[in-house]
Amino acid sequence: KNQVEQSPQSLIILEGKNCTLQCNYTVSPFSNLRWYKQDTGRGPVSLTIMTFSENTKSNGRYTATLDADTKQSSLHITASQLSDSASYICVVSATGTGGSYIPTFGRGTSLIVHP
Amino acid sequence: DAGVIQSPRHEVTEMGQEVTLRCKPISGHNSLFWYRQTMMRGLELLIYFNNNVPIDDSGMPEDRFSAKMPNASFSTLKIQPSEPRDSAVYFCASSFELARANTGELFFGEGSRLTVL
Repeated sequence: KNQVEQSPQSLIILEGKNCTLQCNYTVSPFSNLRWYKQDTGRGPVSLTIMTFSENTKSNGRYTATLDADTKQSSLHITASQLSDSASYICVVSATGTGGSYIPTFGRGTSLIVHP
Repeated sequence: DAGVIQSPRHEVTEMGQEVTLRCKPISGHNSLFWYRQTMMRGLELLIYFNNNVPIDDSGMPEDRFSAKMPNASFSTLKIQPSEPRDSAVYFCASSFELARANTGELFFGEGSRLTVL
């Protein structure tokens, strides 16, 4: 069964500090991995996408890494801001038969940034 | 583009009543997903349509739930009769799926918050 596990479940940091969120997956055959940010009361929004051949990708202060061998990904946030307070969800997509795909969602990491 | 549009944003109803949630996907997208989100279980996939055809409905909790996609620009999720345990935020998402491999981003609506008393 395809699964995505995220850690920690929740995290509290001070503004300006860095943090790293983890994602482990057992999804096969692997197509891609996305990190989504979900602000309170809003729908998730994609931050980054990683495919099999990529191991690092940055989007501003967000840097995602992927180790396809160990099936692990991380999202590193640099110089955190209050607006980074949100839930961060790891989503891994498999390639299915007939071209269809089913994304598997992690439970998310709830990040709170305090001033 | 207006993005994925969901209605209503909030619904409060009494147990036993019928609830209909609506979704307009992004024009040109060929895949549509309905998700349910709760604190306890996170985001759960209920049903997935591709080219208006239901591909995977294994996440639909029980017969009280039904979903339709009569055309490429409209989908509904119906709960009849509703129960307090159905209280959650229901999200609709759409994407453009490529054959054999997909890097399509899921675009989510703002969600419909359902409270069943």
